[in-house]
Amino acid sequence: AQSVTQLDSQVPVFEEAPVELRCNYSSSVSVYLFWYVQYPNQGLQLLLKYLSGSTLVKGINGFEAEFNKSQTSFHLRKPSVHISDTAEYFCAVSDWDGGYNKLIFGAGTRLAVHP
Amino acid sequence: GAVVSQHPSRVICKSGTSVKIECRSLDFQATTMFWYRQFPKQSLMLMATSNEGSKATYEQGVEKDKFLINHASLTLSTLTVTSAHPEDSSFYICSARDQGFHEQYFGPGTRLTVT
Repeated sequence: AQSVTQLDSQVPVFEEAPVELRCNYSSSVSVYLFWYVQYPNQGLQLLLKYLSGSTLVKGINGFEAEFNKSQTSFHLRKPSVHISDTAEYFCAVSDWDGGYNKLIFGAGTRLAVHP
Repeated sequence: GAVVSQHPSRVICKSGTSVKIECRSLDFQATTMFWYRQFPKQSLMLMATSNEGSKATYEQGVEKDKFLINHASLTLSTLTVTSAHPEDSSFYICSARDQGFHEQYFGPGTRLTVT
């Protein structure tokens, strides 16, 4: 079964600074990877996804992520963050288990953007 | 984009009563729906996977008689917490996936408080 590791539980950063949120997954023949964002007391919103093709994936709100098969990583980046980016970010990998396809989530990274 | 709604957004009930939470896909047909539970400052824990017209598949450790899931149509799944107790208090989130796609679209969540 797949697993996902988000290396940083919290990432503080100043407004307009760049940020990288790290995500590593366990190896597999093929993977589908996702980043979701969760604002307080809300559900999850899909930021971006990697299914195949270009390893650099662009998402909403200026975020992008790079799929690195050799390092089994899918780090999320943004060149300049805003206060409104403060939220919880979850990396997820699609996994097949007992004939069912489901998402395996990382523990989450709390991004705190300070003025 | 795909929209998933949940109702109610917040519910308070007394210990021993049952609560039903609805999850609807508004602009697509959800062949598969998922129910998650999220504790404060933690990641999402998958409770069960349901496919339209068939019985739900529960994750290990989730009591199927306590958390009843019905996926009667391609746009509606319900989770009923039976004989609720204070330890069932949590944030419950549903998601839906269209056939042939890998990403899940999440509802806004339901905050359940059992007194």
